[in-house]
Amino acid sequence: SQQGEEDPQALSIQEGENATMNCSYKTSINNLQWYRQNSGRGLVHLILIRSNEREKHSGRLRVTLDTSKKSSSLLITASRAADTASYFCATVPTGTASKLTFGTGTRLQVTL
Amino acid sequence: DTGVSQDPRHKITKRGQNVTFRCDPISEHNRLYWYRQTLGQGPEFLTYFQNEAQLEKSRLLSDRFSAERPKGSFSTLEIQRTEQGDSAMYLCASSFSGTVGANVLTFGAGSRLTVL
Repeated sequence: SQQGEEDPQALSIQEGENATMNCSYKTSINNLQWYRQNSGRGLVHLILIRSNEREKHSGRLRVTLDTSKKSSSLLITASRAADTASYFCATVPTGTASKLTFGTGTRLQVTL
Repeated sequence: DTGVSQDPRHKITKRGQNVTFRCDPISEHNRLYWYRQTLGQGPEFLTYFQNEAQLEKSRLLSDRFSAERPKGSFSTLEIQRTEQGDSAMYLCASSFSGTVGANVLTFGAGSRLTVL
């Protein structure tokens, strides 16, 4: 079963614009992660934010976490064509050892 | 280390046949995971191992599915009597439990199964 749901399901922007995608989840968590998946390939870890953190940055990525609303957002600034991919949030629910549960994903298309 | 390797990358089989996928994790990683992903969906957890012990199995893993990790290194996922609904990408991932980010997964490229 999917723990999270990403919104929007699909997003199309032009190169240089910012892209924001949101993730909502259902249970309390230890941490939340974002992964990227290029077409037909495996997933690549982007960033992890712990339940006691509210914001985290990594290069052009900015992640926020609101545990009271059970939601997170991923912001990609100054997008590039190479950012075209599907983005998934994944959570480790409190009380589970290490199983990651993934959301449904946002498909991002960055055009020139 | 070349990362997580999966073999074969593509498998086409007829309904009713058995198939086996192999995963070679990153050598320092003691945890190994199997996920299944269908088109347009996120990965769904199937099972995971810590060393050779299978610690959790999803209810998605029916009796036709079996996974092993006999020596705590590579793992195999076997599907018996395949059905068309088994068509999916099977993803393997690994991680190391001894670090703070123990559940940051490194994924392989996946094994795509098509059941005719």
